[in-house]
Amino acid sequence: AQTVTQSQPEMSVQEAETVTLSCTYDTSESDYYLFWYKQPPSRQMILVIRQEAYKQQNATENRFSVNFQKAAKSFSLKISDSQLGDAAMYFCAQGGSSNTGKLIFGQGTTLQVKP
Amino acid sequence: DVKVTQSSRYLVKRTGEKVFLECVQDMDHENMFWYRQDPGLGLRLIYFSYDVKMKEKGDIPEGYSVSREKKERFSLILESASTNQTSMYLCASSLWAAAYEQYFGPGTRLTVT
Repeated sequence: AQTVTQSQPEMSVQEAETVTLSCTYDTSESDYYLFWYKQPPSRQMILVIRQEAYKQQNATENRFSVNFQKAAKSFSLKISDSQLGDAAMYFCAQGGSSNTGKLIFGQGTTLQVKP
Repeated sequence: DVKVTQSSRYLVKRTGEKVFLECVQDMDHENMFWYRQDPGLGLRLIYFSYDVKMKEKGDIPEGYSVSREKKERFSLILESASTNQTSMYLCASSLWAAAYEQYFGPGTRLTVT
């Protein structure tokens, strides 16, 4: 069975500093996709970043980047120059090509940003 | 702009009531999903639909049913609400393949008393 594990229920970071959120997954799929979603307090979940498993290059979106280690089945999210607006719950998710759009989500990590 | 809306932000129902949660998307997406979000458990898939009148069970379908009569609308039905169904319910939609991101609604916080 596919699983996604986020082992850090809560993290905190000082404004302007860098923080890394961890995620590990387990899948038998050879072709799959990995996502990080952000859920701000009382607001809708939005996509932060996406990684295709067949791409060796780590995805980057402005201050957000991933460290994708395929052999280790690890997919961490790095947030650089943290801002107060980054405070949210972050979910890691994995989708496979045979799952017709279904995603498996991790438990979530609540990120606190301290001014 | 992409939009997924849910019929209620907050809902309070009594045990045994039949509850309808509705979700509408305006993006002509094939896939629609219902998740349940609980602290420490993340998002768990209840049901999803990949086409009108088509549905598949997710990981926790017990006590729930769904309906998709039109492409843009996906309803979650709690046939007889129970207190253990108190939770946040999230609807999402996406294009057909796993490569595409899911777009989420604002969520419905359901309390069953």
